[in-house]
Amino acid sequence: GEDVEQSLFLSVREGDSSVINCTYTDSSSTYLYWYKQEPGAGLQLLTYIFSNMDMKQDQRLTVLLNKKDKHLSLRIADTQTGDSAIYFCAEGDTGKLIFGQGTTLQVKP
Amino acid sequence: SAVISQKPSRDICQRGTSLTIQCQVDSQVTMMFWYRQQPGQSLTLIATANQGSEATYESGFVIDKFPISRPNLTFSTLTVSNMSPEDSSIYLCSGRWGRGTEAFFGQGTRLTVV
Repeated sequence: GEDVEQSLFLSVREGDSSVINCTYTDSSSTYLYWYKQEPGAGLQLLTYIFSNMDMKQDQRLTVLLNKKDKHLSLRIADTQTGDSAIYFCAEGDTGKLIFGQGTTLQVKP
Repeated sequence: SAVISQKPSRDICQRGTSLTIQCQVDSQVTMMFWYRQQPGQSLTLIATANQGSEATYESGFVIDKFPISRPNLTFSTLTVSNMSPEDSSIYLCSGRWGRGTEAFFGQGTRLTVV
């Protein structure tokens, strides 16, 4: 079945770059998504990438997609304390989304 | 983008009681979903809310426990019935305009059952 895997925790210093990785199994997904969840809040769509793209850049965010390896990454440049949150990758074209376990990003001052 | 509002945002309930969560979308969406996020966990789909017909439940979730209504393209409710402490979770409503589009989420309802 469909499955999405993420590492659970990442700690970086403020100003450094963060890279959050994700692997997925459903190669037919048209879009792959990154969501952010701040403490006590719902999910906020950060960005997404179309499956025929290798890279998408949006201000401080860069998404890289390796379809051959079914690997997705989210790079946050100049990470700030406000970026501390849980980041979920997700896939799913048929309706429901399949989420990874979420990566907790801790940003140290 | 669409804005999804959920009510209540949080509640503390006694075991054995039921709680109905409301989800309102500010635009018509083709698809609406209800997810559960248990403490420290990822999101698990409970069901797809179908307009004018019975919801489609995922494995492990049943209608008697989680009855869902969806009278139109902008509104849905989820009821958590006969609650136990194991039902303590965040419940999130989601909407999509169609396949392959982004999914919008409400802020969630944080439920604590005591």
